[in-house]
Amino acid sequence: AQKITQTQPGMFVQEKEAVTLDCTYDTSDQSYGLFWYKQPSSGEMIFLIYQGSYDEQNATEGRYSLNFQKARKSANLVISASQLGDSAMYFCAAKAMKTSYDKVIFGPGTSLSVIP
Amino acid sequence: SAVISQKPSRDICQRGTSLTIQCQVDSQVTMMFWYRQQPGQSLTLIATANQGSEATYESGFVIDKFPISRPNLTFSTLTVSNMSPEDSSIYLCSVVPDGWYGYTFGSGTRLTVV
Repeated sequence: AQKITQTQPGMFVQEKEAVTLDCTYDTSDQSYGLFWYKQPSSGEMIFLIYQGSYDEQNATEGRYSLNFQKARKSANLVISASQLGDSAMYFCAAKAMKTSYDKVIFGPGTSLSVIP
Repeated sequence: SAVISQKPSRDICQRGTSLTIQCQVDSQVTMMFWYRQQPGQSLTLIATANQGSEATYESGFVIDKFPISRPNLTFSTLTVSNMSPEDSSIYLCSVVPDGWYGYTFGSGTRLTVV
C-alpha cells in the first residue's frame, strides 16, 4: 500500500519569493507516478505537475518544479516567484503504474499563504 | 486532457433527503472515480465506476448510501442518500484521460446538510 506524508500543515511565503512544499512517499511498487495538485478555496482540484519513477530529470511546468529524490522517496514541489493567486491547499499524490485500475493516493495537504 | 462538467456546484440539503451529483465528460473514458473531501481533510476515494458493471466501493462506503450509475462512457452520477450533517463535504468526480497517468477532476460539489 502507498502512503503520502506532507509534514507542513501550513506555510507562509512572501510574494515573489520561492517556496518548497515537502512530500515523502512510501511505496513498494517499482513503477509509480507522483503528482501535485492545487486546490483553491473554490474546491476544484487543479493538476500542477507529474513525475514518473523512471524519469531521470526533475519535472518542470512553468513556475513549478518537482525536486525528485528517489532514494529518499521525496518529491518536493518548488514554486518560484510566488504570486497571491498561489494561496491554496496543495496535495501530493502517488499512483502505482501497474494497471489503469490503480488508485491515486493523496497526502494530507499543505496550506500555502502568500503574503503581499 | 478531458474536461468534466460537474453539477450542482453546491447545495444545502435537509437531513434525511438525497442528492444526486452528475458528471459529464467531453470524451469517452473507461473509469470514473468518485471522491469525498470532508472539511479540512484530504481526498478519500468512495468508489470506482466502470461502464456496464457495478461500481467498486472502498472500505467504509456502501452502495445503499452512495449508489452510483454509469450508463455510458461519458456520464456518471453519485447519489448521497439519507443525508446527515456528517455527509457535509466536497464531492469530486475524476477520470484518467486516455494517454495520461493522472486524474482530471470535475469542479466539485460542495454539499452542506442541515
